[in-house]
Amino acid sequence: KNEVEQSPQNLTAQEGEFITINCSYSVGISALHWLQQHPGGGIVSLFMLSSGKKKHGRLIATINIQEKHSSLHITASHPRDSAVYICAAGNTGNQFYFGTGTSLTVIP
Amino acid sequence: KAGVTQTPRYLIKTRGQQVTLSCSPISGHRSVSWYQQTPGQGLQFLFEYFSETQRNKGNFPGRFSGRQFSNSRSEMNVSTLELGDSALYLCASRQDVNTEAFFGQGTRLTVV
Repeated sequence: KNEVEQSPQNLTAQEGEFITINCSYSVGISALHWLQQHPGGGIVSLFMLSSGKKKHGRLIATINIQEKHSSLHITASHPRDSAVYICAAGNTGNQFYFGTGTSLTVIP
Repeated sequence: KAGVTQTPRYLIKTRGQQVTLSCSPISGHRSVSWYQQTPGQGLQFLFEYFSETQRNKGNFPGRFSGRQFSNSRSEMNVSTLELGDSALYLCASRQDVNTEAFFGQGTRLTVV
């Protein structure tokens, strides 16, 4: 059983659509991270959450600690948002457990 | 402020050889962690170093080792390379636990 489960695995959306990616985890965490990976491999950290909600531009991340669940939302999606989004649970030992990633394609 | 630098970006090695990868963290960051990414297994944690000490280790064979220097730069070594070691190796630097992680661009290792 994976410590971090992400859904959906693949997502295709029309430009402008509202997108939600879900992440459930079973380990105790100190923080939940959302990462973005573009083709070529480089990873960018989008959010680090330990409670509540964070917003950055068109991206919103929420976490429910009691339910061990987090969501990443993209409002008014754009083709440049096409990437793989990865949820990572960070424990107090500074170790990450990664989800398998959600491959997002936004069509113009 | 310079980001996390990994060198080399690409590497081709022959089965049985050994390889050393380098990661220079963001200035002031004392934690460096290493990850392997393969199409089949996704991202997996290798190990984490903080102030020259290995604090955590993932479930990888002893052929995978690392170290951290006093300037926080870290190296990862893989000995007796196998075809299955072909992967993207990423490092991340952080100030410490519960701080944001910054990833390098990765080193893509191909073992032939």
